[in-house]
Amino acid sequence: AQKITQTQPGMFVQEKEAVTLDCTYDTSDPSYGLFWYKQPSSGEMIFLIYQGSYDQQNATEGRYSLNFQKARKSANLVISASQLGDSAMYFCAMRDFYNFNKFYFGSGTKLNVKP
Amino acid sequence: DVKVTQSSRYLVKRTGEKVFLECVQDMDHENMFWYRQDPGLGLRLIYFSYDVKMKEKGDIPEGYSVSREKKERFSLILESASTNQTSMYLCASTIPQGGYGYTFGSGTRLTVV
Repeated sequence: AQKITQTQPGMFVQEKEAVTLDCTYDTSDPSYGLFWYKQPSSGEMIFLIYQGSYDQQNATEGRYSLNFQKARKSANLVISASQLGDSAMYFCAMRDFYNFNKFYFGSGTKLNVKP
Repeated sequence: DVKVTQSSRYLVKRTGEKVFLECVQDMDHENMFWYRQDPGLGLRLIYFSYDVKMKEKGDIPEGYSVSREKKERFSLILESASTNQTSMYLCASTIPQGGYGYTFGSGTRLTVV
C-alpha cells in the first residue's frame, strides 16, 4: 500500500518567490520520521530536511522549512526565495522505525525555477 | 566524508545476461537498501539487508537477488536481465537511529538491450 503521496508531478515557480511542495503520508505507527530529498539532473540524492513525529516545532534548514500538520498527515516542503539551482526533483520520504528502518518514497515533484 | 559507492555509473547489458551491481559503504552502517527509480513511480524498494548475510524482500523483488557477505558491501544481482529492468538503481545505507536519513550512492543507470 502506498504510504507517501505527492500530488504535484511538476511545478513552476518564479525566481525569488516561495514555493510549497505537497506531501501526505499514511501510517498507524506513533513514531516515524519524515524526510525531503532533492535530486538534481546529475542524479545524486541530497538530504534537505527532517521532521520527527514527536517534534513540536516545524523543522527549518536555511531556505527550507517543513510545514508539519500531524493531524492531517501532511509534511509539505516550503522553499523560500527560490533560486535557479533549486530546479530538480524533490522526494518526500517516511522512515518506518518499526520495520527495519525502511524508507517509503513518494513519486516526486519536478520543480522548475524560471528566471 | 562518508560515502556510498556504486561501482558503475552507466551499464549496458544484453537480455539474458547475469548482471551484478555493487555497492560499498564506509560508514559501518547496519542497514543497506537497493531501490530502482523510474519516472512517475518514484523509488521502489527491491531488497534490503539489516545485517551481514541477512536479506529481506522489498516491494518488487522479482527477477532480483542480493548478497551481503561483508558489512560494507551489498550486491544486487539480476539473474537474467530483461528489458523491463532498464532503470536507475540506487543503493542507500543508514543506521537504526531516529532522525538519521539515508546516505545514497550516485546511482547506476542500467540499460538492457
